[in-house]
Formats: sequence, structure tokens, C-alpha cells
Amino acid sequence: TQLLEQSPQFLSIQEGENLTVYCNSSSVFSSLQWYRQEPGEGPVLLVTVVTGGEVKKLKRLTFQFGDARKDSSLHITAAQPGDTGLYLCAGAPPSNTGKLIFGQGTTLQVKP
Amino acid sequence: NAGVTQTPKFQVLKTGQSMTLQCAQDMNHNSMYWYRQDPGMGLRLIYYSASEGTTDKGEVPNGYNVSRLNKREFSLRLESAAPSQTSVYFCASRVAFDSYNEQFFGPGTRLTVL
Repeated sequence: TQLLEQSPQFLSIQEGENLTVYCNSSSVFSSLQWYRQEPGEGPVLLVTVVTGGEVKKLKRLTFQFGDARKDSSLHITAAQPGDTGLYLCAGAPPSNTGKLIFGQGTTLQVKP
Repeated sequence: NAGVTQTPKFQVLKTGQSMTLQCAQDMNHNSMYWYRQDPGMGLRLIYYSASEGTTDKGEVPNGYNVSRLNKREFSLRLESAAPSQTSVYFCASRVAFDSYNEQFFGPGTRLTVL
């Protein structure tokens, strides 16, 4: 069974600080996605990374896929209260069944 | 273009009652999914439908049934609700690209079983 371990599970920081969330596995994924979920809503896709070593930027958010496609990171620069939410990583197994394996999530609170 | 819609948004059931959660998507996607989300456990797949007319079990199917009514609609039924089924339920649909696929989620149904 493929697993994705996210860390940390909880993060509470002050506005303006930087942070990194990690998503690790011992298995290879064909692609990896990051979602953000706000209270009372469904997850919203932020980015998909496909190639080992790939880096994508979305304003102050930087996403990286590990060279071996087993891990990923999300870095937020100068966090703002609007970044508060649950961040989920999800990996697609190489078997291409269409299913995703989700990490447990990282709850981020950015205090003004 | 509403994306993925779910009804109801909230529901309270008593143990042993039954109910059906409805999901519809207007993006013409072939594949649809039902997940449950519990604190600290991420999203766990209950059932999925790769295409109209097919359904398969996911990680936690016990206590649930599904129906892929047509390409747009995928419903989840609890025949005899149990307190362990208290959760937030999300429906999703999938678009497939050459080397990856992406899922789009509905707003969720918050279910409490007393």
C-alpha cells in the first residue's frame, strides 16, 4: 500500500514568516498534486507536478517534486492570513488507475 | 458551469436510518469519486466510477453503496447509518491528461449519525 506522510500536521505562524510543508513516501508517484481546503469547503487544486525535480511557482507558493518522484515540498514565502487552511498533497500511483493517495494534511494558521 | 455539486450540505441521522448523498458534475468527466474526510486522516476513497456503468470499491467501502446513474451523477447510499459514519463526504470528478490527471471536488456533505 502506498502511503504519503505529510509534515508537520499543524503549523501556527505569524504573518510574514516563511514555512515549508513536506510530503514524503517510499513509493514512486507518476504525478503529485497539492490542494488547499478552507473550513466548510472542498479541496481546491493548487498545482500538479509531473517531472522529477520540477519546480512550480504560484505567487508566494513554491512547489517542488523530488528527483526520484517520491517526495514533494510546498514553501510559502511571507505568509499571510489568507494562506490559512488545510494543505493536502495527493500522489498518483504509476499504475494509472485514476485513484489518488492523499496525505493526512497540514493545518496552517497564519496570525496577523 | 457549476463544477461539482453535492446535496445535502448538512444531515443528521439516527443510527439505523438510511440516506442517499447526491453528486453531479457538469464538466463531462468520465470518472467520479466518493471520499470521506475525518480529522487527521486526510481523504479516504470509499468508491469510484471510472466511467458510466462501472463502479469499484476504494479503501473504505463497508457500509456504503453507490450508483452511477448517468455520466453526470454519482450517488452514495448509507443503508443503515452507524455513528462511525459521522464524517464529511466529498464527491469528485476527474479529468485525464496525457501524463497525469486532476480531480475537482464538490463542497461536501457534513453528516452526523447519532
